[in-house]
Amino acid sequence: AQKVTQTQTSISVMEKTTVTMDCVYETQDSSYFLFWYKQTASGEIVFLIRQDSYKKENATVGHYSLNFQKPKSSIGLIITATQIEDSAVYFCAMREETGFASALTFGSGTKVIVLP
Amino acid sequence: EAAVTQSPRSKVAVTGGKVTLSCHQTNNHDYMYWYRQDTGHGLRLIHYSYVADSTEKGDIPDGYKASRPSQENFSLILELASLSQTAVYFCASSDAQSSYEQYFGPGTRLTVL
Repeated sequence: AQKVTQTQTSISVMEKTTVTMDCVYETQDSSYFLFWYKQTASGEIVFLIRQDSYKKENATVGHYSLNFQKPKSSIGLIITATQIEDSAVYFCAMREETGFASALTFGSGTKVIVLP
Repeated sequence: EAAVTQSPRSKVAVTGGKVTLSCHQTNNHDYMYWYRQDTGHGLRLIHYSYVADSTEKGDIPDGYKASRPSQENFSLILELASLSQTAVYFCASSDAQSSYEQYFGPGTRLTVL
């Protein structure tokens, strides 16, 4: 069965610096998709970025980028030039090609606190 | 603009009572999902649907039923609410055109007393 693990429960960083958070996953599928979502203090969940397992290039969207290390089953999220509004809980999620109708398996989340 | 809405946004229910949570999407997506989030945890899949009039069990379906009367609407039903079902419930939708990226509703905070 698929599993997604985020071991960092909370990270504090200074504004305008870079934060990196880790995520490891387990899957038997040869094809899968990895996502990062952001949950704001209001509870809103927003999609940030996606990595397809067959792609070797790390995905980048705005000031979000991924560090995809397939041999280690690892997908890290990097946020550069952090802003106060980046304070949130970040969830890693995985979709297996053969999983429940494209449903996601989520990690437990990493809380990021950006300090002024 | 694509959107997923949920109602009610907050509800207090009594143990043993019936609760219905509703979800409506204007994304024209085929897939819809119900997740549960407990404080300090990630989301867990309860039920999902890939077509109207059909629902499937997810990872934690016990104590929940689902209904998909149309492509746009997906309900989660707690026939006999229990204390352990106190949580925040999120609805989401997706489809192949969006590469299965899921769009989430704002959530419903359910408290069972």
